[in-house]
Amino acid sequence: DTAVSQTPKYLVTQMGNDKSIKCEQNLGHDTMYWYKQDSKKFLKIMFSYNNKELIINETVPNRFSPKSPDKAHLNLHINSLELGDSAVYFCASSQEGGVLADTQYFGPGTRLTVL
Amino acid sequence: AQKVTQAQTEISVVEKEDVTLDCVYETRDTTYYLFWYKQPPSGELVFLIRRNSFDEQNEISGRYSWNFQKSTSSFNFTITASQVVDSAVYFCALSGGVNRDDKIIFGKGTRLHILP
Repeated sequence: DTAVSQTPKYLVTQMGNDKSIKCEQNLGHDTMYWYKQDSKKFLKIMFSYNNKELIINETVPNRFSPKSPDKAHLNLHINSLELGDSAVYFCASSQEGGVLADTQYFGPGTRLTVL
Repeated sequence: AQKVTQAQTEISVVEKEDVTLDCVYETRDTTYYLFWYKQPPSGELVFLIRRNSFDEQNEISGRYSWNFQKSTSSFNFTITASQVVDSAVYFCALSGGVNRDDKIIFGKGTRLHILP
């Protein structure tokens, strides 16, 4: 039933490791996003994909790489994790991105803790 | 550049009081969209409302109401007869609505505490 789902919900790992967060939406939306929410609750977009095409690529370290195998999935892979990567990562989806600024629906978030 | 300012970092009110959360935005676009999201202590982000720049009608949904005023670039949110379950962080957000790469800019949020 969940519209936008993310796995895992919690991720605790050591510095230097590589990890992935998966996101799936069953809303039939064409656009998906990754956001980072820091410890002060500030939400910032990282990437967006429309029908598997990268549309928004904000200034993030290239250790972060999104992958969209199909329009219902957008995964986030992070290489060589650093302490500063600790945050909550939200996936979101919308029917159309940008044009008409369709409402974005968010997943439950993945709390990443890097030790 | 687009910007959203939520000047109230934290607000505490006693249950049943009315409370207004302020949101002021900046944009050069003539077509834009405004949003409010709620983030309860459980952490998820819940969509509340979306408004486009051509629709200045105020909106009411139960105890929630929104006042959009282009003249002051504000999109304020009022909760009437607040309840403890309204305790959350509330985000106001702004997006252009013309280009594929228009993105939502979020304010820093207002943390609302409803005291029993």
